[in-house]
Amino acid sequence: TQLLEQSPQFLSIQEGENLTVYCNSSSVFSSLQWYRQEPGEGPVLLVTVVTGGEVKKLKRLTFQFGDARKDSSLHITAAQPGDTGLYLCAGWYGGSQGNLIFGKGTKLSVKP
Amino acid sequence: EPEVTQTPSHQVTQMGQEVILRCVPISNHLYFYWYRQILGQKVEFLVSFYNNEISEKSEIFDDQFSVERPDGSNFTLKIRSTKLEDSAMYFCASRSQGRGSNQPQHFGDGTRLSIL
Repeated sequence: TQLLEQSPQFLSIQEGENLTVYCNSSSVFSSLQWYRQEPGEGPVLLVTVVTGGEVKKLKRLTFQFGDARKDSSLHITAAQPGDTGLYLCAGWYGGSQGNLIFGKGTKLSVKP
Repeated sequence: EPEVTQTPSHQVTQMGQEVILRCVPISNHLYFYWYRQILGQKVEFLVSFYNNEISEKSEIFDDQFSVERPDGSNFTLKIRSTKLEDSAMYFCASRSQGRGSNQPQHFGDGTRLSIL
């Protein structure tokens, strides 16, 4: 059974601080997707990482896929209150049409 | 930007009743999915659908669940005889054609299903 563990589960920081959240598994994934979910809404895709060792940047967000494609990290530089939300990683492990295996998420709160 | 739309946003149903959740995927997408999220828990895969048939389904997707694409735009999830434990947010997602691992899945805002 493929499992994705996210840490930390909760993170509360001050505006301007940097942070990293992690997504780990014992399984190899074809790709990993990071989503952000606001209360009462569906997950919104931030990025997809496909190649082992890949690094992608989205403004102040940096995403990395582990060399073995079993883990990923999301680093936020100079966090802002607008970054507050639930960050989910989701792994695509294959199958005929594929489906996503989600982690439980990291709930980030950035205080002004 | 095109988006996945789901209706209703909230459905309250008596236990044992049938419920149909509706989704309109993004128009040029060919792969469709249902996921659910029980309050406080992670998003879980239910079923994927392509070319008018189920591609994969999880253990959650038992005989009380069915999916249908009745016309060119709608994609529905039917729960035949609802149970209390079916209470959850149900998300529809779709993606375009292409290598699955590279194609992002786009999610709707979900239907909150409450079983009384």
